[in-house]
Amino acid sequence: QKEVEQDPGPLSVPEGAIVSLNCTYSNSAFQYFMWYRQYSRKGPELLMYTYSSGNKEDGRFTAQVDKSSKYISLFIRDSQPSDSATYLCAMRPLTGANNLFFGTGTRLTVIP
Amino acid sequence: EAGVTQSPTHLIKTRGQQATLRCSPISGHTSVYWYQQALGLGLQFLLWYDEGEERNRGNFPPRFSGRQFPNYSSELNVNALELEDSALYLCASSKRGQDNEQFFGPGTRLTVL
Repeated sequence: QKEVEQDPGPLSVPEGAIVSLNCTYSNSAFQYFMWYRQYSRKGPELLMYTYSSGNKEDGRFTAQVDKSSKYISLFIRDSQPSDSATYLCAMRPLTGANNLFFGTGTRLTVIP
Repeated sequence: EAGVTQSPTHLIKTRGQQATLRCSPISGHTSVYWYQQALGLGLQFLLWYDEGEERNRGNFPPRFSGRQFPNYSSELNVNALELEDSALYLCASSKRGQDNEQFFGPGTRLTVL
């Protein structure tokens, strides 16, 4: 079993829709949770990160962590065609390894 | 502020050869991470360098190695290339103590024929 699982999609939504992207994980030591966006033929771009459980909002993006269920989500409101990309979740423990553990990514297409 | 840069953009090698990939971190960043992004597998952690020292390595064979120079730039070497080494190799950098904010370069696409 992979430590981080992410539905690869693809996911297609109309412009203006609310998008929900999700990851599950198995390692209860994970405390920091990140979301990256990766456009085709580009490196991943950090969108936001959260610590432990709770919500964090940044503009149209909201990250949510439910540690009891080992489940994290990224919501995108009022989705735009420019949001079309692959979204990667990543996480790491509080101590020990500083490297990130990634999901495989979800490919999102926002249709104008 | 310039981002993380990587060279070359593309690299084509044949099986058994050696490949050298280079990374320049963001100015002020001391940590460099290397990840492999193979098709369908997501990003897999390779190596972490900080202050010139290898701090951690992922589950990859010893033919994957590297180093970090005094100016914090880094080099990844892959010896005895195998077909399955074909992937996008991504470098990320972070400031000391801010490992949650890793900034990635555009990657080097390595193709092994």
